[in-house]
Amino acid sequence: EAGVAQSPRYKIIEKRQSVAFWCNPISGHATLYWYQQILGQGPKLLIQFQNNGVVDDSQLPKDRFSAERLKGVDSTLKIQPAKLEDSAVYLCASRPHSSGGSSGANVLTFGAGSRLTVL
Amino acid sequence: GESVGLHLPTLSVQEGDNSIINCAYSNSASDYFIWYKQESGKGPQFIIDIRSNMDKRQGQRVTVLLNKTVKHLSLQIAATQPGDSAVYFCAENTGGFKTIFGAGTRLFVKA
Repeated sequence: EAGVAQSPRYKIIEKRQSVAFWCNPISGHATLYWYQQILGQGPKLLIQFQNNGVVDDSQLPKDRFSAERLKGVDSTLKIQPAKLEDSAVYLCASRPHSSGGSSGANVLTFGAGSRLTVL
Repeated sequence: GESVGLHLPTLSVQEGDNSIINCAYSNSASDYFIWYKQESGKGPQFIIDIRSNMDKRQGQRVTVLLNKTVKHLSLQIAATQPGDSAVYFCAENTGGFKTIFGAGTRLFVKA
């Protein structure tokens, strides 16, 4: 099966500009996640969608970050205006809807990420 | 608050030796733990997982041990190979399938 697709792979912008990242999860995966990974750190959850609804956005800086998954499939993450500290890799991941008794169903499949540099 | 941490940020091993990567977690309500491997320029990739009702699980060349008493998780890699060089993250699942990652350990394999 095709993996999680993300674009662009790299983006360089100046502070106060805006940027948008796109993610297409694995077909049929109901749950979609956006993580921010700053260099040398582990991924930090920004937002979690179940179909087109938000499950958890407690760590999303809502004054500048927004995300949507309008049709319950692909998703966009936007930053406006960007700050220097937003420089990071933005990872999208997806997971099947039902966990059942199978531990594999709880595993996230990640895309390659979008690397953002804010100058 | 919730946190997942690691004891060592960097681990260097000789090719063919066994590697042990450790992780401490703080949320006693976490019921599921996963180890991910991240190579340069790629997203994290699943290695092995374990539920909280188990204390050991084995895969191909990898073993995960869970000690709930001291909230400790470890990943053992047998006969470490150059291709194992990467950053390894432990992650825990709390309710609602929220996955929290630790800071990571970078594994260097010396030929």
